[in-house]
Amino acid sequence: QKEVEQNSGPLSVPEGAIASLNCTYSDRGSQSFFWYRQYSGKSPELIMFIYSNGDKEDGRFTAQLNKASQYVSLLIRDSQPSDSATYLCAAAEGNNRLAFGKGNQVVVIP
Amino acid sequence: DGGITQSPKYLFRKEGQNVTLSCEQNLNHDAMYWYRQDPGQGLRLIYYSQIVNDFQKGDIAEGYSVSREKKESFPLTVTSAQKNPTAFYLCASRSAGGGEQFFGPGTRLTVL
Repeated sequence: QKEVEQNSGPLSVPEGAIASLNCTYSDRGSQSFFWYRQYSGKSPELIMFIYSNGDKEDGRFTAQLNKASQYVSLLIRDSQPSDSATYLCAAAEGNNRLAFGKGNQVVVIP
Repeated sequence: DGGITQSPKYLFRKEGQNVTLSCEQNLNHDAMYWYRQDPGQGLRLIYYSQIVNDFQKGDIAEGYSVSREKKESFPLTVTSAQKNPTAFYLCASRSAGGGEQFFGPGTRLTVL
C-alpha cells in the first residue's frame, strides 16, 4: 500500500503569520497531489492540487511539489482564525485511487 | 445545485443489524468512492466504482458491501460482520479524466 505521511503534530500560528505543512509520499509513480481542509465534524474540502514540480499559488495558499525528494508542502499566508482546521494531504495512486495522510491540525491564534 | 448528498446524517445501529448508507451525486461523475474515518485518523478506502455495474474492494472492504446500478448512486451496506463499524463514513466522486475527488457531507454511524 502506498503511504502518505504527515508527521507534524498540531501547529499553532498567530493570526497573520505563515502556516507551513509538509507531506511525504512513498510512491515515486504518483503524479498528482491534493490538499484538503477538514473542519471538525465536517467532510474534507479540496483547496489545492498540484501536478508539476515547483510552486502553485491560489490566493493565500501555495502548494509546493518536489518529486525528487518526494514531498509536498502547503503554505498558508496571512493565517486567519477561519483557517483553523485539519489539513489532509493526498497522493494519486494507480487505478484512480488517492492515498491520504492522517492530517495536520492547524490552530490560528487571534 | 450540483453536488453529492449522503443520508442519513446520523445513524444508530444495534449490534447484529445491517444498515445501508445512501450516496447520490448529480455531477455526472463516473467514479464514486466510500471512505471510513476514525478519530485522529486519515481516510481509509472501503470500496470504489469507476463505472456502473462494476466496483472494486479498497483497503478495508471486509464487513461492507456496495452496489452501483445507476451512475448517480453508490449505496454502502454495513453488515453485521463488520466488528467495529462506529465511524464517520464519507462518499466521494470524481469525473473521468480528473484526479481530484469531491466529498459528500458524511454519515456518522454509531453502534449501540
